[in-house]
Amino acid sequence: NAGVTQTPKFQVLKTGQSMTLQCAQDMNHEYMSWYRQDPGMGLRLIHYSVGAGITDQGEVPNGYNVSRSTTEDFPLRLLSAAPSQTSVYFCASSYSIGTDYEQYFGPGTRLTVT
Amino acid sequence: GQQVMQIPQYQHVQEGEDFTTYCNSSTTLSNIQWYKQRPGGHPVFLIQLVKSGEVKKQKRLTFQFGEAKKNSSLHITATQTTDVGTYFCAGPWDSNYQLIWGAGTKLIIKP
Repeated sequence: NAGVTQTPKFQVLKTGQSMTLQCAQDMNHEYMSWYRQDPGMGLRLIHYSVGAGITDQGEVPNGYNVSRSTTEDFPLRLLSAAPSQTSVYFCASSYSIGTDYEQYFGPGTRLTVT
Repeated sequence: GQQVMQIPQYQHVQEGEDFTTYCNSSTTLSNIQWYKQRPGGHPVFLIQLVKSGEVKKQKRLTFQFGEAKKNSSLHITATQTTDVGTYFCAGPWDSNYQLIWGAGTKLIIKP
């Protein structure tokens, strides 16, 4: 199993550009989420999904869109990049049944907006 | 809103000394999770605590969940260079799958 994969690893955007960060998992997890991590801070939840076709907002959703057309894929779209979106973005997935809520993380995408 | 506070932000130790990080929530938590993130890496799950007063051990790591389920701690005995990284606690926000994260404690081994 590849686990959770993310592409690209690094990206530089200019203010106003749009792009999509890709995330895929091969563990058949129902739950997937996107976080951003800024220096000296914990992770903040952007959007999450509890299954294909179902998405919802987290703590910091503004400026981002998501979709979940399949169980495997959960792309994050930046609509019009701003310097404040410079961050490291992590995608995570977890099982959605039982009492174990362990989240599995991808390697991250390091985004710089100039 | 709900907050998870984690202290200290950094801890410098000599190799072989102990390390402790503390996590406090503004609300009662149904569970708390701990993760480790190596420099340049991604968070990796360490453990989940569910019961009031629970204590779990993983080799040199001891995890505790407070009686009121509002605080937790991670203690590492006799640190090694492989322990270097940032340790995060995280608790459920609106459901068990939406996590609120502490800011992390960075463990630094003095040369």
